[in-house]
Parts: sequence; C-alpha cells; structure tokens
Amino acid sequence: EPEVTQTPSHQVTQMGQEVILRCVPISNHLYFYWYRQILGQKVEFLVSFYNNEISEKSEIFDDQFSVERPDGSNFTLKIRSTKLEDSAMYFCASTLSGNTIYFGEGSWLTVV
Amino acid sequence: DAKTTQPNSMESNEEEPVHLPCNHSTISGTDYIHWYRQLPSQGPEYVIHGLTSNVNNRMASLAIAEDRKSSTLILHRATLRDAAVYYCILRSWQGAQKLVFGQGTRLTINP
Repeated sequence: EPEVTQTPSHQVTQMGQEVILRCVPISNHLYFYWYRQILGQKVEFLVSFYNNEISEKSEIFDDQFSVERPDGSNFTLKIRSTKLEDSAMYFCASTLSGNTIYFGEGSWLTVV
Repeated sequence: DAKTTQPNSMESNEEEPVHLPCNHSTISGTDYIHWYRQLPSQGPEYVIHGLTSNVNNRMASLAIAEDRKSSTLILHRATLRDAAVYYCILRSWQGAQKLVFGQGTRLTINP
C-alpha cells in the first residue's frame, strides 16, 4: 500500500538553528498538509498546500515557518529559527480527494 | 468547525466488540463524519467515514443516528492492536479541508 514517508525520523537541533523536515507524499495526491503534536497534547493543524500554494494556515504557522514543494515529489517544512517550544512530532499528510487523508510516521524534533 | 464530544477513555476486553460514541449535535448538512485513530508513537490513521447511512469496511463499522447528531464507531472484535486514541471529526465535503483533531477517546484493550 502506498505511504507517506518522512525524514528524518528524529532530529535534535540547537535553539535558533534552521530545520528542514522532508516528506514524500503519495505520488498522485493533490493536497498536502503539515500537522504537529507536542508531547501529550492533541494533533494540531499547521498548513495545507494545494496547486503549489498555501490554501490554509493556522495561527501557529507564523513567519518562522515555510513550506515548499520543490520538485513535484517532495514536500518540505522549514523552521527558520527554532525555539524550544517548537519541540514536537511533525506529521506530513496527503490526500487525493479529501475522503481519506494519509499521514506519515512523523519527524520528532527536539530543540535544545 | 463543528464540535464533537467523545468520552476521554474507554476500556474493553480482547475479542469483544467495542462501541465508541460521538456526539455532534451541531453537524451541518455538508459535514461528513470521519474517524481516525492514532496508535502509540504513530501518525493518525484513517478508519472510516460516512454521511448519512451506516458504513462498513475491513476495519470497523460506523453507525450514524437518523438525525445525524451522533454516531458510533464499532470495532467488532477488538484486538490488542486496536488500543489507540480514536478521533471523531466532522469535515465538510467541500474541498480537501483540514482535519481538526480533538482530544479523542483513549481505548484500552485488556488481554
């Protein structure tokens, strides 16, 4: 069964550093998302992406965050200057039509 | 986003059926009822969705009340692998809109 893959599975970074989280969505999917989950808390929506542009973003997704689909297969989330509170599991997701959204296994980001 | 209400936790025994309730009294006519689950240390996983009629798939069944103000996810024969947090989410049919996760129901399965 096709799946969404994410790299790295775990990254430790120093506060203030830039981080890029990478995702390979399912190949024929059209809609892409990033979510995050702080340890012990609920899954939170960050951003959705369609037709090469952001379609919706949450309040969390401020100027420190950006997304890109550079080559038609990868979907990246960049955090420009990480803060301690950015420590979380980040999930990438994709869907063809919206009925079923497929999530990756997540990238665990620890900011120290 | 229309709100759903689920019990914080439920417990069941292995190989027994599990009925997970969800109330959504403010559901609108364009809202589908989606269920996702999140196993420990994994990303959310699609379970089932429906609009008005009851739905069955290989994972579960979804029973939707006639007035659509509540629904029940049914796991026919729970296994230890079904221990997870189950999320009931309303989502408009219009476009591939985001999922808004609540706290969900933490399901514990006893051997």
